Amino acid sequence: GAVVSQHPSWVICKSGTSVKIECRSLDFQATTMFWYRQFPKQSLMLMATSNEGSKATYEQGVEKDKFLINHASLTLSTLTVTSAHPEDSSFYICSARDVQGADTGELFFGEGSRLTVL
Amino acid sequence: GQNIDQPTEMTATEGAIVQINCTYQTSGFNGLFWYQQHAGEAPTFLSYNVLDGLEEKGRFSSFLSRSKGYSYLLLKELQMKDSASYLCAAMDSNYQLIWGAGTKLIIKP
Repeated sequence: GAVVSQHPSWVICKSGTSVKIECRSLDFQATTMFWYRQFPKQSLMLMATSNEGSKATYEQGVEKDKFLINHASLTLSTLTVTSAHPEDSSFYICSARDVQGADTGELFFGEGSRLTVL
Repeated sequence: GQNIDQPTEMTATEGAIVQINCTYQTSGFNGLFWYQQHAGEAPTFLSYNVLDGLEEKGRFSSFLSRSKGYSYLLLKELQMKDSASYLCAAMDSNYQLIWGAGTKLIIKP
């Protein structure tokens, strides 16, 4: 199946700094990628839909100036958590659909990035 | 509004069978997904149903009834490695996934 790679897997940063997370589709082109956040023992929460070549679509309650999304190519989307604070500590996951392949509707997930803000 | 309901936690015995239920209410419907998620890891795809009926894939089967807004995931011959959270997600008319909170499955020897 299609492969989505996410980096870094773990990141620890000081409060006030910015952190960038990359999401790459390795063997397919992803015009759309999705960014989720998951707090412990809770389900995935969609943060935004990343669209190649255009602005991301953010879900209600998600600050677009804090969570910057860039989808500059068909295989790469980045999420930057700006001026991170301890409450931003969470598990961030990206996903994409291979709509050009045998699109079964399946979402392919990256490995996830665990962010800890001190 | 849109809503997914599934039990918070279930316990089963190794070698047994367990059924995890999911009910959904969405604006339009484009399919029902089941994902498995081990603690600290990303979800992995298990199944996709868009037509009524049972889809079997090895030890795992998934059932859908669109008229009832109901699905279940059936796990047979349970193994300890099946201990995980199982996420139900329904795709609405905008092709957005609405996620359930997940069912934590605990397998006991």
